[in-house]
Amino acid sequence: GQNIDQPTEMTATEGAIVQINCTYQTSGFNGLFWYQQHAGEAPTFLSYNVLDGLEEKGRFSSFLSRSKGYSYLLLKELQMKDSASYLCALAPGSYIPTFGRGTSLIVHP
Amino acid sequence: EAGVAQSPRYKIIEKRQSVAFWCNPISGHATLYWYQQILGQGPKLLIQFQNNGVVDDSQLPKDRFSAERLKGVDSTLKIQPAKLEDSAVYLCASSLDSPGAYEQYFGPGTRLLVL
Repeated sequence: GQNIDQPTEMTATEGAIVQINCTYQTSGFNGLFWYQQHAGEAPTFLSYNVLDGLEEKGRFSSFLSRSKGYSYLLLKELQMKDSASYLCALAPGSYIPTFGRGTSLIVHP
Repeated sequence: EAGVAQSPRYKIIEKRQSVAFWCNPISGHATLYWYQQILGQGPKLLIQFQNNGVVDDSQLPKDRFSAERLKGVDSTLKIQPAKLEDSAVYLCASSLDSPGAYEQYFGPGTRLLVL
């Protein structure tokens, strides 16, 4: 089985940088997903890490360390529209994500 | 390109009643998923189809939930009879059936409230 742990809620200021951590315990997985979900909307794909290291995509970057059972999502130049839930998910034996509870990020002026 | 379509968007029923949800995936996407998302939690996979065949339904409560994708395109998810704990958002997602096609595209969801 898998155990995914994320902080429940984080707050940050517009224009700042925030790092959302995800730790997991699993016997093995193909890759790690990050999804964004605005309140009342469906999740949208942000990133998929297979190899260790940092992958950058615009203002968002995702990092994976398999040996440490750890990932993070880094959001730069925060905007109000970044207020959302950020879901960490593992793909155990296929590309089907198994989701954590998500981290609710609140961006304030 | 049209996204994943779901209907209805909202549904309120009483416990022990039946309800059905419909999903139309993105054109050309062979793989279709149904998820249940309870408030404050991440989505939980209920069933995965590849074309019209079931790939994984290990987390589908088969005593009350059923799903089909008869022609390999549209899909329906049914709950009969509903329980209070079935109150959740039911998300449909689809993806391409090709190596490395890991991105899932989600529909807007159906919000179910069981009273």
